[in-house]
Amino acid sequence: SAVISQKPSRDICQRGTSLTIQCQVDSQVTMMFWYRQQPGQSLTLIATANQGSEATYESGFVIDKFPISRPNLTFSTLTVSNMSPEDSSIYLCSGRDRTQETQYFGPGTRLLVL
Amino acid sequence: AQSVTQLDSHVSVSEGTPVLLRCNYSSSYSPSLFWYVQHPNKGLQLLLKYTSAATLVKGINGFEAEFKKSETSFHLTKPSAHMSDAAEYFCVVSDQTTSYDKVIFGPGTSLSVIP
Repeated sequence: SAVISQKPSRDICQRGTSLTIQCQVDSQVTMMFWYRQQPGQSLTLIATANQGSEATYESGFVIDKFPISRPNLTFSTLTVSNMSPEDSSIYLCSGRDRTQETQYFGPGTRLLVL
Repeated sequence: AQSVTQLDSHVSVSEGTPVLLRCNYSSSYSPSLFWYVQHPNKGLQLLLKYTSAATLVKGINGFEAEFKKSETSFHLTKPSAHMSDAAEYFCVVSDQTTSYDKVIFGPGTSLSVIP
């Protein structure tokens, strides 16, 4: 299975600031995605991270709030901008292994905004 | 459009008794279906998947699921619950509308195991 790592694993931030989350995947992964899991909720797809071009955002998510980069095949970042307490969630990176037709997930970044 | 329903938000079983977590899906095309488990403060782990091969799928830790197209169901079962099975379980679907690249998560079922 694909190996996916994220950092930081958790952070506590002040409102109005921004946090950048990093995701590193191994070479088996072709597509990369970012998800949000609000407290006690299921996972919601934020965007597809496209290599070398702008990410593809899902309805309800915008680039100004969640800028995403993917400079190469194995690395992506998600920034949560101008944070408010409502942004307190777990943010997860995932990668799709097409040979196994499966998505694998990173351990998540637990964000608390005060 | 794809969607997933998990009929029970919470299931409680006694240790050593069978587990049944129910999942129904909606898909216009031949779906791929997955079950993931999330232990408290841990990441998501793939339990098993169905991708158009055998309809009875065996996964890790003694779990299995059966794809029933006529019932649009993919229920997760385990013959005997263990304390370590207490976790959140997500049923997940993807299909050809997104080239099987994107997945849709169900709302999750929280499993409690009583000693």
